[in-house]
Amino acid sequence: DADVTQTPRNRITKTGKRIMLECSQTKGHDRMYWYRQDPGLGLRLIYYSFDVKDINKGEISDGYSVSRQAQAKFSLSLESAIPNQTALYFCATSDSRDGQYFGPGTRLTVT
Amino acid sequence: TQLLEQSPQFLSIQEGENLTVYCNSSSVFSSLQWYRQEPGEGPVLLVTVVTGGEVKKLKRLTFQFGDARKDSSLHITAAQPGDTGLYLCAGRYNFNKFYFGSGTKLNVKP
Repeated sequence: DADVTQTPRNRITKTGKRIMLECSQTKGHDRMYWYRQDPGLGLRLIYYSFDVKDINKGEISDGYSVSRQAQAKFSLSLESAIPNQTALYFCATSDSRDGQYFGPGTRLTVT
Repeated sequence: TQLLEQSPQFLSIQEGENLTVYCNSSSVFSSLQWYRQEPGEGPVLLVTVVTGGEVKKLKRLTFQFGDARKDSSLHITAAQPGDTGLYLCAGRYNFNKFYFGSGTKLNVKP
């Protein structure tokens, strides 16, 4: 079984709709992250959390919100989706020393 | 502004050739990671280097961390078509956030 899972894997939604992307992990890591990936722009950090009570904005948090429901679960919400939020979204986890472990991604299209 | 600069951006080589990818920054990192990503999938962690001057080998891949912990290189010996993918470097800053380079897209032709 995958260590980091994301649902849904693909989603097409309309402008103005609210959408939630979910992430679960079995790595036992405290730290969880949400990134988006766009062609030519690499991975950009949206939000990160070091434990259930700790939530931090990344470099592109506008238009997004997150919830850390448990150590193993971290969800990303788009309150009112817009077309330029069309991208590949990744959840990742890490411990305090090593690199990150990524989920398989969610391909989101906003029409 | 990209904290980590990767070069080259694109690389297309024949099977059996050697190649080197570079990752440079003006910042000091607590550690540096290399990832490989296939289209439509998440990046997969290949290695973490922590100590300045450290060299790690993973089969035909050799990773080096610069003495000042600001740069790194990835060398592939005798590349194979299975090495094709996007290679990303990431620097861990103060043991907290990670900063990613924009990636090197490698294509190894049979």
